[in-house]
Amino acid sequence: EAGVAQSPRYKIIEKRQSVAFWCNPISGHATLYWYQQILGQGPKLLIQFQNNGVVDDSQLPKDRFSAERLKGVDSTLKIQPAKLEDSAVYLCASSPGTGGTETQYFGPGTRLLVL
Amino acid sequence: AQSVTQLDSHVSVSEGTPVLLRCNYSSSYSPSLFWYVQHPNKGLQLLLKYTSAATLVKGINGFEAEFKKSETSFHLTKPSAHMSDAAEYFCVSDTGRRALTFGSGTRLQVQP
Repeated sequence: EAGVAQSPRYKIIEKRQSVAFWCNPISGHATLYWYQQILGQGPKLLIQFQNNGVVDDSQLPKDRFSAERLKGVDSTLKIQPAKLEDSAVYLCASSPGTGGTETQYFGPGTRLLVL
Repeated sequence: AQSVTQLDSHVSVSEGTPVLLRCNYSSSYSPSLFWYVQHPNKGLQLLLKYTSAATLVKGINGFEAEFKKSETSFHLTKPSAHMSDAAEYFCVSDTGRRALTFGSGTRLQVQP
């Protein structure tokens, strides 16, 4: 079974530029998550989708971050414009059902450096 | 609100000795708790989870954790450390809103 795929693996941009990350979850998984992991901290949930609907985006900085999951399969996370403090690893995860106590399967992450 | 506190940011053990990674939780209800492991340049992987069944939970690679309500703890243990256990470990709880809250992590170093 293929795992969660993410691209790119690494990205370096200058502040005020835009960047987009892509995630393809495990086939058939209904729920998709985006996390931000700042160096030395645990991952923090940014947004959770169930199929193509948003379940929780309470911690997403909506003035600069946006995410979509068209057709309920793969997803993109965009930052526009980027700030220095957005330097982090962006993790995508998926789970089969509605989340909660389900096991989440994580991708390898995209490491973003904003200069 | 639900949260977890990992009491040690870094733990160093010798190969073949026991591992103890400490986690305390705070919750107004009985939580679901997890331990995830993150190896360098690899994705997070579930080690084990507690969902109000048996209080002693066995996971992969010889790890186990015990849910102690009286101490609000969910410590991760392993009888004998292996070099391949060197990684970052996260204690995690559910928020009751279908999302997860991660602790700050404990880096486990295993000395030969």
